[in-house]
Amino acid sequence: SQTIHQWPATLVQPVGSPLSLECTVEGTSNPNLYWYRQAAGRGLQLLFYSVGIGQISSEVPQNLSASRPQDRQFILSSKKLLLSDSGFYLCAWRDRGYTEAFFGQGTRLTVV
Amino acid sequence: KQEVTQIPAALSVPEGENLVLNCSFTDSAIYNLQWFRQDPGKGLTSLLLIQSSQREQTSGRLNASLDKSSGRSTLYIAASQPGDSATYLCAVGDYGQNFVFGPGTRLSVLP
Repeated sequence: SQTIHQWPATLVQPVGSPLSLECTVEGTSNPNLYWYRQAAGRGLQLLFYSVGIGQISSEVPQNLSASRPQDRQFILSSKKLLLSDSGFYLCAWRDRGYTEAFFGQGTRLTVV
Repeated sequence: KQEVTQIPAALSVPEGENLVLNCSFTDSAIYNLQWFRQDPGKGLTSLLLIQSSQREQTSGRLNASLDKSSGRSTLYIAASQPGDSATYLCAVGDYGQNFVFGPGTRLSVLP
């Protein structure tokens, strides 16, 4: 069966520090991968999605970047965090063919 | 640009009631629609997926319907229980490999 792992679960980082969040999927090949952010009291905002290794599409101009170094690995990064980067970050995957989407347990990022 | 809304924003009901959550979308050119549940501080749990060619899907006490032409979906929860308390989100899948979320309905089922 397929599983998705996302870590860390919580993170407190100072302003200006770098960020690296990792997401891996098991039990499937060549999935579509997504990064979403959920700010307090707001809906989910799509940040990046990827349909293959090295293929990244950005939905919102921001202080963040994403990479997909391996088929089932998706990384969200920042060189210098801003206070506004605080939020709940969620990774998701789904197979090709517009199938059901599955989410990780999320990372709560607080920038102080 | 696809926009998704959900009504009501919050709902509080006594245990045992049947209830309906609503989801509306502006662009009917969708591929599917998915309902999720989110517990506080947790990720999203998939509840039901409806393909655009389908009218409804059922799983246990949950039934989701889709009227693509009118841009609406409903999630029906039968015989609600306190354990159903959570935020319910609908997401519309477009042909561009993406899906757009509504703001959610926060449900409280009182024992």
